[in-house]
Amino acid sequence: DAGVIQSPRHEVTEMGQEVTLRCKPISGHDYLFWYRQTMMRGLELLIYFNNNVPIDDSGMPEDRFSAKMPNASFSTLKIQPSEPRDSAVYFCASSLWTSGVDTQYFGPGTRLTVL
Amino acid sequence: TQLLEQSPQFLSIQEGENLTVYCNSSSVFSSLQWYRQEPGEGPVLLVTVVTGGEVKKLKRLTFQFGDARKDSSLHITAAQPGDTGLYLCAGAYNNDMRFGAGTRLTVKP
Repeated sequence: DAGVIQSPRHEVTEMGQEVTLRCKPISGHDYLFWYRQTMMRGLELLIYFNNNVPIDDSGMPEDRFSAKMPNASFSTLKIQPSEPRDSAVYFCASSLWTSGVDTQYFGPGTRLTVL
Repeated sequence: TQLLEQSPQFLSIQEGENLTVYCNSSSVFSSLQWYRQEPGEGPVLLVTVVTGGEVKKLKRLTFQFGDARKDSSLHITAAQPGDTGLYLCAGAYNNDMRFGAGTRLTVKP
């Protein structure tokens, strides 16, 4: 298995532009998570899906952030308009909930820089 | 305020030394995990502990889950430069996982 795939690996954009991050989870996994990691705040959960349905988006910072999962093999995280404070590494992770224990498999991340 | 507090935040030691890092909370977790993250990569799961008082060993790494399932520790024996990385603990909380801020470990040759 190729693992969780994220694209792009790096994104540099200017303030005000729309940014779309993409994720392909591991086949067969029923949970998908989006995280943001910064030195100041560590790894923050933004939103997660179960069977393509958003379950908890309380971590999404504000309305500029939106996430979709149109099918079991694809998810997007969109920021519109982007701001410099959105600069961070964004991780996607997927898991298969088994016997009450959740092992998350992370992608390599997208490093976003907003100028 | 982090749900899980990790300490120390940074740790720099010489190869061959032993170390312990901690993960503490006031909340009870049904399970707790430790991940290691290397630069430019995502976190990778090391271990899951589910029973209070449980001890798991993974080569030179020893993981312990507190009796009350509120805290955990990771002990590394004879650290090696390959152990360098960010160590994150994560607790199962309200149907999702919450991560601590991590301990950044540097092992110097």
